[in-house]
Amino acid sequence: KNEVEQSPQNLTAQEGEFITINCSYSVGISALHWLQQHPGGGIVSLFMLSSGKKKHGRLIATINIQEKHSSLHITASHPRDSAVYICAARGVASGTYKYIFGTGTRLKVLA
Amino acid sequence: DTGVSQDPRHKITKRGQNVTFRCDPISEHNRLYWYRQTLGQGPEFLTYFQNEAQLEKSRLLSDRFSAERPKGSFSTLEIQRTEQGDSAMYLCASSAAELFFGEGSRLTVL
Repeated sequence: KNEVEQSPQNLTAQEGEFITINCSYSVGISALHWLQQHPGGGIVSLFMLSSGKKKHGRLIATINIQEKHSSLHITASHPRDSAVYICAARGVASGTYKYIFGTGTRLKVLA
Repeated sequence: DTGVSQDPRHKITKRGQNVTFRCDPISEHNRLYWYRQTLGQGPEFLTYFQNEAQLEKSRLLSDRFSAERPKGSFSTLEIQRTEQGDSAMYLCASSAAELFFGEGSRLTVL
């Protein structure tokens, strides 16, 4: 079992739908990142969270430290949101800044 | 361009050859990471540096892989005696707080 698990692995949505991607982790963390990777493209950091909730445009990220769970929500989805979304957990051990990545959620938004 | 840059972007080599990748991080970032990514998978940790010190190296990494960051600025990742299983995208990232990735160096071993 991976230390960072994402669900679903694949998701197809119609344009305009509300989308939720989940990330669960089994290790202690100091921060969690949500990343976006377009096909053939580089990886872009969307959010860095250590508690609570953050919002940027149509994207919302939440984290529940007690439950070791984070979600990424996309409101009013658009075909340009089609990408792989990856959560990455940063270790909590003193002095370590190692990241553990989930395997990603492949999102396809249809027009 | 003040982002993370990687060179070369693509490398095709024959099995048994050595290859070296370079990463230039964002200048004020003290942490630098190397990851490997294969198709359909998330990035797999290889190693990371804080300044010039290599703090951790994946146990999955064979002795054929070595990384350096001699002056705490750019880093190199060398793979000796490449094997077909080494074919992957090699990603570099740097961080002060937020994490920034380069475009990656795609390696194909024939």
